[in-house]
Amino acid sequence: EAQVTQNPRYLITVTGKKLTVTCSQNMNHEYMSWYRQDPGLGLRQIYYSMNVEVTDKGDVPEGYKVSRKEKRNFPLILESPSPNQTSLYFCASTGGGASNEQFFGPGTRLTVL
Amino acid sequence: GENVEQHPSTLSVQEGDSAVIKCTYSDSASNYFPWYKQELGKRPQLIIDIRSNVGEKKDQRIAVTLNKTAKHFSLHITETQPEDSAVYFCAAGPDNKLTFGGGTRVLVKP
Repeated sequence: EAQVTQNPRYLITVTGKKLTVTCSQNMNHEYMSWYRQDPGLGLRQIYYSMNVEVTDKGDVPEGYKVSRKEKRNFPLILESPSPNQTSLYFCASTGGGASNEQFFGPGTRLTVL
Repeated sequence: GENVEQHPSTLSVQEGDSAVIKCTYSDSASNYFPWYKQELGKRPQLIIDIRSNVGEKKDQRIAVTLNKTAKHFSLHITETQPEDSAVYFCAAGPDNKLTFGGGTRVLVKP
């Protein structure tokens, strides 16, 4: 089944404790991105990757890191989480070409205390 | 960068009536305009999209119109049903760098 998976789905942590949210897709998509969703603000892009070893900042990259060592994986790293990073996070992948549909993962709800 | 504004933020309609959501964008270079539907607790899913070389696109009960000159595009849902209740997001941008609107919560009352 073609899908985007994220782990963990829910996470409660404390300020300053490094964490990683994993994202994996099995559709051989080149383009992947991370979004955060906050009430009234829609989906805001954090980082995106056009291909392996190619990443770039989105609209709200501060406090986040990403890596793209393999085509299928695109982890999101919070080196020192803060309460303002409490949010719902979505990973997405896009096949490109004729279809630009972004396939979203199930989301990760993060709470930073 | 791109700026997308979406209105209204909430929309309540009677079952069977039509619903219209409007978005404006700022960057004339944007050429791709998708609409996503997000049901409660679920991930966003694409329902329809349009490119800048097309003025209107329809898929059963949903349609999208684009006015490039005015930099606005709209989602039209006809004959609304309870299962249309969800949050809808518009987005604009070049193919892979989308900026999303703030979302519209649609409630279809039976």
